Amino acid sequence: QVQLVQSGTEVKKPGASVKVSCKASGYTFTSHYMHWVRQAPGQGLEWMGLMFPRGDNVIYAENFQDRVTLTRDTSTSTDYLELTSLRSEDTAVYYCARDISSSYGWWFDPWGQGTLVTVSS
Amino acid sequence: SSELTQDPAVSVALGQTVTITCQGDSLRRFYPSWYQQKPGQAPILVIYSKNDRPSGIPDRFSGSKSGDTASLTITGAQAEDEADYYCNSRDSTRSLWVFGGGTKLTVL
Repeated sequence: QVQLVQSGTEVKKPGASVKVSCKASGYTFTSHYMHWVRQAPGQGLEWMGLMFPRGDNVIYAENFQDRVTLTRDTSTSTDYLELTSLRSEDTAVYYCARDISSSYGWWFDPWGQGTLVTVSS
Repeated sequence: SSELTQDPAVSVALGQTVTITCQGDSLRRFYPSWYQQKPGQAPILVIYSKNDRPSGIPDRFSGSKSGDTASLTITGAQAEDEADYYCNSRDSTRSLWVFGGGTKLTVL
């Protein structure tokens, strides 16, 4: 079955960087885009960016353009999100989600289980 | 505009019908997708495309769209439907995606 498995909980100090992984299985990895979404405690979902299927292009949300880097390793079917210059407001659960599209729109399915990143001194 | 607006909270009596709305300019061009999220869990897709449900989603969930407003309707709400619901769409002019603020559904 299609599955996205993310790396485990991270605790970082302000100013540090974090790298979260998302390993895909059960489908052709290079046929789908991958979205990244985060959710701060008690808050809603926030779209962060998109990785292209062959890993040759990315799109970042305006709020994260200067601090986030998405990468893809097609040999291991794994996507990565790296966030730099961490601050307390970056404390959140980070999700990857596979993109599917049609002529009517786009949707995210499935989602990874989420990775909690806590930023604290 | 890249904003999607949802009511923060909605309640419904057990077995009754409830509609959750999502409003934004991008919906004039694209159909949104809808996600259910229960506490401590990752979101799951419940409605996509014009009005499609993934395997395993009960047929009491349905979607519709008119103009700049989309709706998620639960016909005969069950206790297990109590959750947060989010709409999502691509921006109408840019390759960016946006979520609505979410609607907390309470089943009374």
